[in-house]
Amino acid sequence: SQQGEEDPQALSIQEGENATMNCSYKTSINNLQWYRQNSGRGLVHLILIRSNEREKHSGRLRVTLDTSKKSSSLLITASQAADTASYFCATEKFGAGNMLTFGGGTRLMVKP
Amino acid sequence: EPEVTQTPSHQVTQMGQEVILRCVPISNHLYFYWYRQILGQKVEFLVSFYNNEISEKSEIFDDQFSVERPDGSNFTLKIRSTKLEDSAMYFCASSEARGFHEQYFGPGTRLTVT
Repeated sequence: SQQGEEDPQALSIQEGENATMNCSYKTSINNLQWYRQNSGRGLVHLILIRSNEREKHSGRLRVTLDTSKKSSSLLITASQAADTASYFCATEKFGAGNMLTFGGGTRLMVKP
Repeated sequence: EPEVTQTPSHQVTQMGQEVILRCVPISNHLYFYWYRQILGQKVEFLVSFYNNEISEKSEIFDDQFSVERPDGSNFTLKIRSTKLEDSAMYFCASSEARGFHEQYFGPGTRLTVT
């Protein structure tokens, strides 16, 4: 897979359920950032996890990072209809300055 | 909460014309970026800018593209002679510093080249 590839590509759940999205990457990274994008709109920054961190929480969001497997996961707990959006991981590669490399995203639909 | 702003929200231009996309980064941020997203595709890095010069650029950022910080608040992307394939959403972003710092994105400018 390419740097920063998410799976699944699409996810449909009921309101109240948890949603888990995964991201895999290939090279060593400085950090990994998760973003949300509502249809046709801008990218909203959700959370940044550094390469020396394993887990971070922010509200209903939980991000994990496993550098040995070169993978990350984003968990949204108790999903709401307003969480319907595309979610992207973006990696900042070690030694590549500030360039973020984005994955193709997971389209999440939360049904009320 | 401070945010990155971009103007215009939508720009329609004819092939071969010059366009300038404008951004106002978050005021205490030092690093500025442009990314683009062609419809249905991934967000792609174009260029990063620090201390009034380009610090990184991708292969997409060829001689047709240029960036400038004309004053203390604006950051612009110029495309000299637009092509059909330049049609995309262009995002500006900024960060406090490099490395372990979040990049905050603006709402984007949708560029349509006809």
